[in-house]
Amino acid sequence: NAGVMQNPRHLVRRRGQEARLRCSPMKGHSHVYWYRQLPEEGLKFMVYLQKENIIDESGMPKERFSAEFPKEGPSILRIQQVVRGDSAAYFCASSRGQGAADTQYFGPGTRLTVL
Amino acid sequence: GENVEQHPSTLSVQEGDSAVIKCTYSDSASNYFPWYKQELGKGPQLIIDIRSNVGEKKDQRIAVTLNKTAKHFSLHITETQPEDSAVYFCAASPSAYNTNAGKSTFGDGTTLTVKP
Repeated sequence: NAGVMQNPRHLVRRRGQEARLRCSPMKGHSHVYWYRQLPEEGLKFMVYLQKENIIDESGMPKERFSAEFPKEGPSILRIQQVVRGDSAAYFCASSRGQGAADTQYFGPGTRLTVL
Repeated sequence: GENVEQHPSTLSVQEGDSAVIKCTYSDSASNYFPWYKQELGKGPQLIIDIRSNVGEKKDQRIAVTLNKTAKHFSLHITETQPEDSAVYFCAASPSAYNTNAGKSTFGDGTTLTVKP
């Protein structure tokens, strides 16, 4: 039973480019969460999605960041016109049930470096 | 919103000793409290969790206690081993029926070092 999968594991972008991070939830899970982790800091909630719906995006910066979880395929976190401050590890988690009260399982993360 | 504080930020113990990490939270609506272990370069892995209808839960060398009145919960690791060395995160999550159901709030982490 495969766990949460994220790709790429490492991503290097120059300032102004776009970054696309992918997350495939565990089999049977329809809820996806994205978190950002700065070096030596905790995880900060960004967005919670179900298939084709954004449930809670209160942690997402209002500009340049967007997320989707289409009916088919992985969830995508998209960062446009990246800046150096976007350099971080981005983790995706998935759960079977509704909301954060159901156990979340994390992927290995995508480490974004903006040059 | 929810605020989770975690202490200590670093903890060093001798192999075989016990380690205790404590977290406090602010939102009385939170009722699910997972603990994660993160090794270098990897994603957080769930090690134990507790829900608000339970005061204590144990899984081999790991135990978690919850005091809802005081709004704090703790992770206890007994007979520590070098492979327990990692960063540990606590989190607090609201009820699934809360409007903030998606938002888990994490502590800032505790770096545990177990010396052989």
